[in-house]
Amino acid sequence: AQSVTQPDIHITVSEGASLELRCNYSYGATPYLFWYVQSPGQGLQLLLKYFSGDTLVQGIKGFEAEFKRSQSSFNLRKPSVHWSDAAEYFCAVGPAGGTSYGKLTFGQGTILTVHP
Amino acid sequence: DAGITQSPRHKVTETGTPVTLRCHQTENHRYMYWYRQDPGHGLRLIHYSYGVKDTDKGEVSDGYSVSRSKTEDFLLTLESATSSQTSVYFCAISEGTGLGEQFFGPGTRLTVL
Repeated sequence: AQSVTQPDIHITVSEGASLELRCNYSYGATPYLFWYVQSPGQGLQLLLKYFSGDTLVQGIKGFEAEFKRSQSSFNLRKPSVHWSDAAEYFCAVGPAGGTSYGKLTFGQGTILTVHP
Repeated sequence: DAGITQSPRHKVTETGTPVTLRCHQTENHRYMYWYRQDPGHGLRLIHYSYGVKDTDKGEVSDGYSVSRSKTEDFLLTLESATSSQTSVYFCAISEGTGLGEQFFGPGTRLTVL
């Protein structure tokens, strides 16, 4: 069965500092990978996705993520964090192909706090 | 933003009562999903639908049922609510083959006393 692990439950960074949120997945083949962000009291918004091709993908709000097959990782990065980036971030994995019906498996989430 | 609404947005109910949550979309997407979100668990799939009257169970389906009689509506029913079903419930939709991104509704906060 597929699974997603986000090792960091809570991360605190200073505004302007760089950010890396970790995501490791377990799946038998190349999956589809996603990062979502959830602001307090809101639904989830897609930041970026990886289906195939270039392993470094760019997303909205200045985020990027790198797919590393050898490490089964899909870490999210941002070079300079803004106070508005404070939110909860979820990594998700979905099967690439087959009759998966687009079902996603989510990680536990990482809460990001940004200090001024 | 994708046209997804959920109703009600907040509900408090008592143990043993039936509860129905509604998800409505205006995007004509084929795939619809119900998740629950609990601290430390992320989002877990309850049920999903891949077309009108076509539904299947997800990871945590016990105690829940769903129905989809129209493309735009996906109902989640708790036949007899329990305190363990206190959670935030999210509906999501996906177009095409269902292998792409999912768009999420604003959520329903359900409290079962």
